[in-house]
Amino acid sequence: GAGVSQSPRYKVAKRGQDVALRCDPISGHVSLFWYQQALGQGPEFLTYFQNEAQLDKSGLPSDRFFAERPEGSVSTLKIQRTQQEDSAVYLCASSFAWDHQYFGPGTRLTVL
Amino acid sequence: GNSVTQMEGPVTLSEEAFLTINCTYTATGYPSLFWYVQYPGEGLQLLLKATKADDKGSNKGFEATYRKETTSFHLEKGSVQVSDSAVYFCALKAPNDYKLSFGAGTTVTVRA
Repeated sequence: GAGVSQSPRYKVAKRGQDVALRCDPISGHVSLFWYQQALGQGPEFLTYFQNEAQLDKSGLPSDRFFAERPEGSVSTLKIQRTQQEDSAVYLCASSFAWDHQYFGPGTRLTVL
Repeated sequence: GNSVTQMEGPVTLSEEAFLTINCTYTATGYPSLFWYVQYPGEGLQLLLKATKADDKGSNKGFEATYRKETTSFHLEKGSVQVSDSAVYFCALKAPNDYKLSFGAGTTVTVRA
């Protein structure tokens, strides 16, 4: 079956632009996670959804970051007024139960 | 807080060599421990996991044993192949939690 998909795979933004990153989780997966992976580092947790409810957004680095999952399936991570330090790979993961998260290929964001 | 420290890379090996990647963790209670692998151009994939002390996770010839006394979860493979070239991440999930905490990753290159 289809895995987690993310789009776009690559995004180049000028500093100050807004960007929107999309995640399509595996069908039927209740839990959805966003992680940020800086170059040469491991992924860092950003936020967690259970169905459409955002239960944890403690990892979002600033109020410029916003995530939503309005129908409990597709999720969008939005970054407003992008800064150079936002350059990273953004990973989406979904799971049916907490013990096995399935990751998408990621979106590589470069802010110039 | 919870954290994972893993051996720095890069690691370069010849085919059929023995591979060890060290991983130690800091956590309260008994976390679940994971090794994820990221092949070039692909998303993170779960390689193996262990959920309690002395458990051994294994997959594709890789093994790791959950050692509570040394807070370690070292990854080993007896005879690597070129196709094992990838970035390997050690991760933990605290009891009753949903988010993963990752190490920085170890890049492994296997030469023919």
